[in-house]
Parts: sequence; structure tokens; C-alpha cells
Amino acid sequence: DTAVSQTPKYLVTQMGNDKSIKCEQNLGHDTMYWYKQDSKKFLKIMFSYNNKELIINETVPNRFSPKSPDKAHLNLHINSLELGDSAVYFCASSQVWGVTEAFFGQGTRLTVV
Amino acid sequence: AQKVTQAQTEISVVEKEDVTLDCVYETRDTTYYLFWYKQPPSGELVFLIRRNSFDEQNEISGRYSWNFQKSTSSFNFTITASQVVDSAVYFCALSKETSGSRLTFGEGTQLTVNP
Repeated sequence: DTAVSQTPKYLVTQMGNDKSIKCEQNLGHDTMYWYKQDSKKFLKIMFSYNNKELIINETVPNRFSPKSPDKAHLNLHINSLELGDSAVYFCASSQVWGVTEAFFGQGTRLTVV
Repeated sequence: AQKVTQAQTEISVVEKEDVTLDCVYETRDTTYYLFWYKQPPSGELVFLIRRNSFDEQNEISGRYSWNFQKSTSSFNFTITASQVVDSAVYFCALSKETSGSRLTFGEGTQLTVNP
């Protein structure tokens, strides 16, 4: 069974559309994250959630809104998509809000045309 | 502010060669954690190791070894007898104690192992 799973794996959409990426972890972890990997493969944290509560928002535009209905899920909704949003988005989870290793999903490649 | 630098953008070796990936970090925290992740061509990110700032012992896991030196702020990764399956992008990352597993990543090193 996949520990951290994201859907969809690929997403192609037009500018201005709204889209969502779903993430689920079956590890029983308390903490979940969204990371963005740009075209140069640079990885940057976007959001950190602990027990469904937003802990850190890394100055991400308001068009990005994470939602955590329960500890096992952290979805990412993006409004009014722009060309610059094209990237690979990774969901991750870690056991607790301490420094433990984060386990990543397989990524969602978003292409905005 | 924290920063991780992986100066080697790309490395190409022939199978069975040993290869070392460099990682240099900057932090003002006295307690911090260092990580290595592997991103194979399939795209997922695979956790390899976590090391805390109190533990400078080197670690070996099969063909992989890590050398942590606080004096030079480095956390280097060596693959012994490289194999084609080691071809991937390798990321070094840093986290401070109060920020959970919020990772600051280096730019990554693309390792290509040729047969």
C-alpha cells in the first residue's frame, strides 16, 4: 500500500481555471506538508499542517488554499491558475511536529497552458 | 536564515566508481537536522538519512556512507561501487528543531552512473 498518495499524477489545464490536488497518507502521521518543485528541480515548502491545523504558510499567494478535513488528508486547491504555477507539487507527511523524516508522495505534475 | 548548498550540479561516473556528493549548510541554530533524499527518474522523493547536530558520527548503510563535520558545516554523501540504479538527483536538506520537518533543500546534484 502506498504510504503517501496524491491524485492526480498529471494535471494539464488552462490559465484561469481552478484545480485541486488530493493527498492522503495512511501512516498515521500528525503532520503534513505541501512542497513545490520548479522546472530547475528546486524544492520549496509551501504549507505545513499539524493535526489539521495550519502551522506555516510560506508566503504563498492567496490563490493557493490548502484544506485538511482530517489528519490523513491534505488537499491543495488552486484558483485562477497562472503559467507560473506549472510545477511538480509534492505532498509529504511526518510522524509528529518534531523533526522526524518526511515521507513524500509521488508528486503531481501540473502544467498550465 | 538557513541555507543548503550543493555546489555540484551534475556528476557523471562509470559504474563501480566511488562518488561523493557535497553538501554545505548554513544555520544559526545550535540544534538542527540534516537529511539526504534521492529522486530517481520516476520522480518520487525517497528518504535516505536523517542526522542531528549532536551526532557527528559517520554512518554507513551498505554502499552508502555519510560524513558529517560541524567544523566545516558539511554533510557529504558517498556512494561506493556505484551502480546504474544509483542514477538520480540527490538532495541535501536542513531543518531546525522548532520547525518540524519543514525542510530547506539544496539545489540537488544530478548523478549519472554509466555502464
